[in-house]
Amino acid sequence: DAGVIQSPRHEVTEMGQEVTLRCKPISGHNSLFWYRQTMMRGLELLIYFNNNVPIDDSGMPEDRFSAKMPNASFSTLKIQPSEPRDSAVYFCASSLAPKPQHFGDGTRLSIL
Amino acid sequence: AQSVTQLDSQVPVFEEAPVELRCNYSSSVSVYLFWYVQYPNQGLQLLLKYLSGSTLVESINGFEAEFNKSQTSFHLRKPSVHISDTAEYFCAVSGDSGAGSYQLTFGKGTKLSVIP
Repeated sequence: DAGVIQSPRHEVTEMGQEVTLRCKPISGHNSLFWYRQTMMRGLELLIYFNNNVPIDDSGMPEDRFSAKMPNASFSTLKIQPSEPRDSAVYFCASSLAPKPQHFGDGTRLSIL
Repeated sequence: AQSVTQLDSQVPVFEEAPVELRCNYSSSVSVYLFWYVQYPNQGLQLLLKYLSGSTLVESINGFEAEFNKSQTSFHLRKPSVHISDTAEYFCAVSGDSGAGSYQLTFGKGTKLSVIP
């Protein structure tokens, strides 16, 4: 079975540019989560969706970050404009609650 | 509200020695407990889980964890570690956040280094 698929795997861009990260959850899962991982802060939950509806976005750092889930098989996390402090690894995970979350391989984002 | 404490940020251990990675949690609702492992430059992989039933759970590669409700702990153990176990291990707790949503709260992770 295909796992959670994230794209791109790596993204390098200049500050001020718009960045879009993509995620395809496992088919049949009803919850989707976006995380950010850095050395300083560890693993942080940014936002999660249940049945395509955002439930809790309190982890989103600021208005420059936005996430959407237009259907059950696709989600995006957008940063506009990007800043160097946004550099991190961004993970998407999905689950069929209350079963465990399955993680994608992540997008390694570098903002120059 | 839920929280997870992993007391040890780094644990060095010699190959074939036993290891215990400690995890304590707090929660106001019934919980599910998980250990995830992250190898360098990879995503998190589920190592083992406690959802209900037997309090001792095992993984396919020799790790085990025991849910202790009275001590609110879910420590991870392995009797004999291998070089390939070098990774970062995350303890996580999940409970119903409402509306059928199960949000994971992670500990800060423990880096296990196996020394040849």
